[in-house]
Amino acid sequence: GNSVTQMEGPVTLSEEAFLTINCTYTATGYPSLFWYVQYPGEGLQLLLKATKADDKGSNKGFEATYRKETTSFHLEKGSVQVSDSAVYFCALLRGSGGSNYKLTFGKGTLLTVNP
Amino acid sequence: DVKVTQSSRYLVKRTGEKVFLECVQDMDHENMFWYRQDPGLGLRLIYFSYDVKMKEKGDIPEGYSVSREKKERFSLILESASTNQTSMYLCASSRQGASNQPQHFGDGTRLSIL
Repeated sequence: GNSVTQMEGPVTLSEEAFLTINCTYTATGYPSLFWYVQYPGEGLQLLLKATKADDKGSNKGFEATYRKETTSFHLEKGSVQVSDSAVYFCALLRGSGGSNYKLTFGKGTLLTVNP
Repeated sequence: DVKVTQSSRYLVKRTGEKVFLECVQDMDHENMFWYRQDPGLGLRLIYFSYDVKMKEKGDIPEGYSVSREKKERFSLILESASTNQTSMYLCASSRQGASNQPQHFGDGTRLSIL
């Protein structure tokens, strides 16, 4: 079946540091890939997505590239801010058949950015 | 913007009570989902619905049921609440069609069963 593995946290960085959160996946065919962010006390928000190999999703300074050869979708940001402190979830959506609308999530990575 | 609204942010109920969690979306999405989120376990799918009156079990449906009488509304029902159902519950919706349609989430309901 489908699965997503993301690096375990927590990750603690200083403001303006470079961020990488690793995500790898297992799926048949050609899934779509997503990063969601959950700020304290809130639901999940879509951060970025990529729907085919070599696509780069980007938003709010975050980027992730869909690498089919390494089955990866690592999240990066060049300079983090305190306001980026949140839990980040990698997810895949495999499209075919009757269950093609179900997301498979990683377990989440807690990021804390200190001033 | 898509708006998914969950009726309560915080809810406290007693063991054995029948509990209703309500979710409404305003974007005419065909698909709706209920998840629970627990520390160390991530998000787990309870039930989803791809059309009015249609539902499918997710990964952990035991102890739950759902109702979708109107397209915009998806209710999660705890038939007889138990303490192990204390959790954060998240509702989501998405458009049908190609597999690149993201799910949009509500703010969650933190449910405590005493």
